[in-house]
Amino acid sequence: DQQVKQNSPSLSVQEGRISILNCDYTNSMFDYFLWYKKYPAEGPTFLISISSIKDKNEDGRFTVFLNKSAKHLSLHIVPSQPGDSAVYFCAASVWTGNQFYFGTGTSLTVIP
Amino acid sequence: EAGVTQFPSHSVIEKGQTVTLRCDPISGHDNLYWYRRVMGKEIKFLLHFVKESKQDESGMPNNRFLAERTGGTYSTLKVQPAELEDSGVYFCASSLGGDASNSPLHFGNGTRLTVT
Repeated sequence: DQQVKQNSPSLSVQEGRISILNCDYTNSMFDYFLWYKKYPAEGPTFLISISSIKDKNEDGRFTVFLNKSAKHLSLHIVPSQPGDSAVYFCAASVWTGNQFYFGTGTSLTVIP
Repeated sequence: EAGVTQFPSHSVIEKGQTVTLRCDPISGHDNLYWYRRVMGKEIKFLLHFVKESKQDESGMPNNRFLAERTGGTYSTLKVQPAELEDSGVYFCASSLGGDASNSPLHFGNGTRLTVT
C-alpha cells in the first residue's frame, strides 16, 4: 500500500515559468518530507526538505510547501530552467526514524 | 569525498540464474539502505543496515534475496534464483546516522537488473 503518492507522472513547463509538483501522503505519523531530483542513469539527489513544524521552506529557486491538514506537499521551482528537467521524487519519514517512503516520481520537462 | 558506488551498472541474466550486486557507501556512513524501482513505480524500500546489523528488512520481497554487510563497510545483495519480476533498478543509499531529519540519503547510480 503506497503511503506517498505523486499523481502526475509528467509535467511540461516553459522556461522562466513556475513548475509546481505535487505530493500526497496517507500516514499521519510522517513529519519529515523531502524532495529528490533524478537525472537519467543517475541516482536521486537530495534537493530540499521540510519538517512538519513548518509550512514552507525555501532554498533559492526551490520552495516546498506543506499542508498538514490536507496531507499534501508541493515543490515550486521559480523560474524554471532547462537544467531542471528531471524526475522528481517526493519522500516522507518520521523525524526520529530511519525509513524513507518514496512516491512514483514526476517527470518534469522545461521547454526552452 | 567519493559518493556511493554500485557495481555493476547493468546486469542481464536468465531466469533461474544468480546475481550479486555490490554497494560501497560513503566512508563513515553507518546507515546503508537498499531500494528498488520497478519501471514507473515508486522507489521501494528493501532493507536497512546500521553498520553490519540488519535494522529493518521488512521490504525484502522473499527469501530469494539475501543482503550482507560484512564488517560494516560495503554491502552485497544476492538474488538467487532470479525471477522475471525481479527486474528493475536497484539503488543503494547511505547516510551518516542518527535521525532521518539530520541525515538525508545519498544514493548511488543504481544497478539496472534485467531478468530474461
